Amino acid sequence: DTGVSQDPRHKITKRGQNVTFRCDPISEHNRLYWYRQTLGQGPEFLTYFQNEAQLEKSRLLSDRFSAERPKGSFSTLEIQRTEQGDSAMYLCASSSGGGAEAFFGQGTRLTVV
Amino acid sequence: TQLLEQSPQFLSIQEGENLTVYCNSSSVFSSLQWYRQEPGEGPVLLVTVVTGGEVKKLKRLTFQFGDARKDSSLHITAAQPGDTGLYLCAGDDGWGKLQFGAGTQVVVTP
Repeated sequence: DTGVSQDPRHKITKRGQNVTFRCDPISEHNRLYWYRQTLGQGPEFLTYFQNEAQLEKSRLLSDRFSAERPKGSFSTLEIQRTEQGDSAMYLCASSSGGGAEAFFGQGTRLTVV
Repeated sequence: TQLLEQSPQFLSIQEGENLTVYCNSSSVFSSLQWYRQEPGEGPVLLVTVVTGGEVKKLKRLTFQFGDARKDSSLHITAAQPGDTGLYLCAGDDGWGKLQFGAGTQVVVTP
């Protein structure tokens, strides 16, 4: 296993368009997390899954954001009607359970123009 | 808003010097993790500290967790250019959700 994989690495989109990112966690990990990181800040928690169940969503996750993990393996994060303020690095992490160490992917850099 | 305060925000030193980065919070964490992040990449886990007062060493890096599990420090001895990066501390709430500090940017020049 090569670790957490995210696709695409970079995405440039026009304001108002929809975008979708994919995360493939480490295969035996049942926890999957999404974070967002803006310039000069540390990552901020967005949401997480235990297997296919979405257990918590941050208030940062507006109605335009939706995340899924349909079969408890890979996850997608969709942003509808993108805004310039959505420009950020979107990071995915996985772990083997609550309190276990989390390992991050390389992130998807989103630029909304 | 970052509940974990990291200091300093930026540190520039010469190769061979020592440095210490601090991570402070008013909250108690079940564990605390230190990551290093390169530009355009995701954070890479360096260490996890769990027990109050715990000290862990990773080659030239020494990590300490405060007795009350609210603060931590990272000390690098004889820094090398390869140590350059953004150092992030993150507190675990016990459920796996991480609260990050804003990071300390370390630059080590030859």
